[in-house]
Amino acid sequence: DTEVTQTPKHLVMGMTNKKSLKCEQHMGHRAMYWYKQKAKKPPELMFVYSYEKLSINESVPSRFSPECPNSSLLNLHLHALQPEDSALYLCASSQAGGGSPLHFGNGTRLTVT
Amino acid sequence: GEDVEQSLFLSVREGDSSVINCTYTDSSSTYLYWYKQEPGAGLQLLTYIFSNMDMKQDQRLTVLLNKKDKHLSLRIADTQTGDSAIYFCAESGGYGGATNKLIFGTGTLLAVQP
Repeated sequence: DTEVTQTPKHLVMGMTNKKSLKCEQHMGHRAMYWYKQKAKKPPELMFVYSYEKLSINESVPSRFSPECPNSSLLNLHLHALQPEDSALYLCASSQAGGGSPLHFGNGTRLTVT
Repeated sequence: GEDVEQSLFLSVREGDSSVINCTYTDSSSTYLYWYKQEPGAGLQLLTYIFSNMDMKQDQRLTVLLNKKDKHLSLRIADTQTGDSAIYFCAESGGYGGATNKLIFGTGTLLAVQP
């Protein structure tokens, strides 16, 4: 069982659609992350929120828009995606404090048609 | 720059020990991690080690760290078919505030033969 919950588990969207991925944790963690993972590759960092403020944006295209409404929730808004954006999107969280490990959700499998 | 390398594939028989290796380049890394990913799932934290340690044991898992050679290994004793998965090592590429930026290795696919 994972303590980081992601919805939906699967999402199929067209290139003109707008959709959102959601992530929730109740471990009191103050950092939350979005990663993108292509098949047979390691996860790649997209965004990090620290104390509900965006602290890292790894030069992600603006068609991906993150949002952190509160310390437990993290959203990723999607608009005008491309087929190459199809991937597994992973959310993670970590405690405040140097070196605290990340705890991952099970991901959302996104397919862009 | 930071780079974390792993061998791509390891095949073992059930009941044998598995050793998964990882090399990293950032000598300032203070924490190193092992994650397991089963098909269709997210990453499960297995264990992690602080760089002032040489070894850490947790049930069937043993982590060895050779800081001089920047080499990390994960040994799984009595490997079971349920251990079949991709294993990622990761180093902490820097942290501040609440953030911990992980740099992941390329991943090793462990196949356990019955």
